[in-house]
Amino acid sequence: AQRVTQPEKLLSVFKGAPVELKCNYSYSGSPELFWYVQYSRQRLQLLLRHISRESIKGFTADLNKGETSFHLKKPFAQEEDSAMYYCALSGLHMDTGRRALTFGSGTRLQVQP
Amino acid sequence: DADVTQTPRNRITKTGKRIMLECSQTKGHDRMYWYRQDPGLGLRLIYYSFDVKDINKGEISDGYSVSRQAQAKFSLSLESAIPNQTALYFCATSDRFATGELFFGEGSRLTVL
Repeated sequence: AQRVTQPEKLLSVFKGAPVELKCNYSYSGSPELFWYVQYSRQRLQLLLRHISRESIKGFTADLNKGETSFHLKKPFAQEEDSAMYYCALSGLHMDTGRRALTFGSGTRLQVQP
Repeated sequence: DADVTQTPRNRITKTGKRIMLECSQTKGHDRMYWYRQDPGLGLRLIYYSFDVKDINKGEISDGYSVSRQAQAKFSLSLESAIPNQTALYFCATSDRFATGELFFGEGSRLTVL
């Protein structure tokens, strides 16, 4: 079974400080990993995906298969980064043979002025 | 704009009542999903559908049923609601070629007394 673990429920940093939101996964196949973000009073939306190796809003995430991690990083946090962040894994569900997203429990990032 | 719309947005009901949450989309996506969000647990997949005749159970389908009435409509039913089904429910869609990129509705907050 696939599993996504986000160990921190809350991460509080000051503006300008580096941010690292942790994500570890468990999956027997080749994973596809994503970060989703939910800003206050907005819908949950895709932030970035590992396969694109992109930087969105200054955030990056590198897939480390050896450590089964996909941590989200930003060198200098901004107040507008305050939001709920979810790590998600797209994997095959063994009982259905279908691929669907499994989400972690989420980390709330608070960026203080 | 193409969108994912959930109704009702808020519902309070009593134990034992039948409840239906509805989702419609104008994105033209084949795939639709129902997730449940609980504090500290993140989003958990209830049911998902890859087309009108392809419906699959997620990790927490007990106590729920779904109906895919058309490509654009996917309803979630609680046949006999219980208090621990109090949660925020999200509908989402995805294109068949980008299953990791989900587009979410605004959510339906259900309270079961």
